[in-house]
This record gives sequence, C-alpha cells and structure tokens, in this order.
Amino acid sequence: GDSVTQMEGPVTLSEEAFLTINCTYTATGYPSLFWYVQYPGEGLQLLLKATKADDKGSNKGFEATYRKETTSFHLEKGSVQVSDSAVYFCALSDPYNAGGTSYGKLTFGQGTILTVHP
Amino acid sequence: DGGITQSPKYLFRKEGQNVTLSCEQNLNHDAMYWYRQDPGQGLRLIYYSQIVNDFQKGDIAEGYSVSREKKESFPLTVTSAQKNPTAFYLCASIRDRGSNTEAFFGQGTRLTVV
Repeated sequence: GDSVTQMEGPVTLSEEAFLTINCTYTATGYPSLFWYVQYPGEGLQLLLKATKADDKGSNKGFEATYRKETTSFHLEKGSVQVSDSAVYFCALSDPYNAGGTSYGKLTFGQGTILTVHP
Repeated sequence: DGGITQSPKYLFRKEGQNVTLSCEQNLNHDAMYWYRQDPGQGLRLIYYSQIVNDFQKGDIAEGYSVSREKKESFPLTVTSAQKNPTAFYLCASIRDRGSNTEAFFGQGTRLTVV
C-alpha cells in the first residue's frame, strides 16, 4: 500500500537557519504530493503541493521538488522564523491506486515538530 | 466564506458512552474524511465517503461509525467499543473523488475520556 516516511523530529533551529525536512514515499500509482502545516490546537493547512515529477511547489518561502527517481519530496526553507514553529506533515494522494481502496484519500507521514528560537 | 466546521472543539466522554462529532462543509465537495491524530503517529484514516449514502472503512474503523445522509454533513460517532478514544479528530473534504486537489481540514475536535 501507499506510505509516507518523514525524518524524525523534533527539529530545533535558531531564527534565520536553513531548514530541511526529509520525506520519502511509496505509491503504486502516480501520486500528488503535499506538505501540510499544523499550528498548535488547529487543523491542517496546505503549505504547498506538486502533482507530477519534477514539479516544484512553493509558498511562504518554503519549497519542495517532486523527485520520482528518488521517491522524495523534501521540504526546505532558506531562513526560518519563529512563526514557522509548527508540525509539518508530508502526504500523498494516489487516486488511481490499482486496488481502488485508496481512491482520493490522503496518506500522511508521522509529522515533524519544528521549533524555531529567536 | 466556504470551509469546514467541526464541533465541538472540546468534548469529554464518560466510559461506556457514545459521542458524536459533527463535521459540516459548504464547499460543495463530494468526498469527506475522518482522521484520528495521536502524538507521534501522524494522521490515521477512520472512515471516508466519496458520495452521499456511501462510505468506506479506513485503516482504524473499529469502534467508530459514520453516516452520509447529506453532501454537507459527515458526522462521526465514537462508540463504547472504541477502547482508547482520547485523541484529536480531524475532518477533511476534497472536491471530487480521484481529484489531485488538496484536502481542506476543519479545526479539529479534541475528545477526552474522563
């Protein structure tokens, strides 16, 4: 079945540091890939997405490139801020799964807690 | 503004009680999903529905039930058969089945057994 693996956290950085959160996936079809962010006590918000190989998603200074050859979708940001402190989830949607049982659903990684200090 | 509304935000349940979590969307989305979130485990799919009057079990459906009588509504009942119900529950919707568009999430309901 489909699966998503994220680097284990928590990740603690100083403000203006470079951020990388690794994400790799396994899917039987041709998935779309997503990064979601969750602030304390809230639901998830879409951060960025990519729907095909070599696409780059970007938003709010965050970027991730869909690498089919390495089945990866690593999240990066060149200079983090305190306000970026949150939990980050990598996810995939594989609507054409051959078995039909994952039709349209999202499969999530376990989440990575990011804390940024001033 | 369109969106997904979950209620209540906090819910307390006594042992042996059934409780129902509400999820309403006005996005005109076909597909709706319920996820459970536990610390360090990410989100796990409980149930999903791709169309009115139809729903499917997810990965951890035991002890839960759902209904989809209206397109806008997808309530989740946590039954007394769910042995460890304390968790954060998230409802989501996607425009149509097979779509690669993003899911929209509600703000979540935190359920605690007392």
